Amino acid sequence: DTGVSQDPRHKITKRGQNVTFRCDPISEHNRLYWYRQTLGQGPEFLTYFQNEAQLEKSRLLSDRFSAERPKGSFSTLEIQRTEQGDSAMYLCASSLGRTSGYNEQFFGPGTRLTVL
Amino acid sequence: GIQVEQSPPDLILQEGANSTLRCNFSDSVNNLQWFHQNPWGQLINLFYIPSGTKQNGRLSATTVATERYSLLYISSSQTTDSGVYFCAVTYNQGGKLIFGQGTELSVKP
Repeated sequence: DTGVSQDPRHKITKRGQNVTFRCDPISEHNRLYWYRQTLGQGPEFLTYFQNEAQLEKSRLLSDRFSAERPKGSFSTLEIQRTEQGDSAMYLCASSLGRTSGYNEQFFGPGTRLTVL
Repeated sequence: GIQVEQSPPDLILQEGANSTLRCNFSDSVNNLQWFHQNPWGQLINLFYIPSGTKQNGRLSATTVATERYSLLYISSSQTTDSGVYFCAVTYNQGGKLIFGQGTELSVKP
């Protein structure tokens, strides 16, 4: 078990470009979450998947953002036509959601996006 | 929506001192987690503690769900304890975490 991994760790792009991030959850974890963290703030929820189904999206997730989790394994987060306001740390977390309610989340190292 | 407030926002300690960090939440929660964010941004799990008391080495945590607060205790602090401590709660079946603003701890040698 190598934990949650994210790729790339850093991304610098120009305004208007598209970017895609990847998250590999802990194996056997059925839930996968994306969060965004800006400087000096706590992480904010973006979206989550249970297996391959995207079950909830935040209002923070504008039409320029799309997330997928094909086959219920890894997930991708794409941002189209990036804006300077998209600069942030993008964090992925996974959990083994159980009917008992146990749902401890484990985070990856994050992808730091800088939009010039 | 549910509000999560952490106090104090900043804390400076001498090595060896003890400290208590507080997390208040505005409504009933399913789960509560404490994290330590290191200087590289990695969130490290400290406790999963929807209720009760847990201890792990020099750290311990207590959640009193009926009174809507949780406490994180750090004893005999070390410089490596420096960083930001976050409390986060979930309140629905989906389990999305709602984070507080964090407590930034600086431990001086």
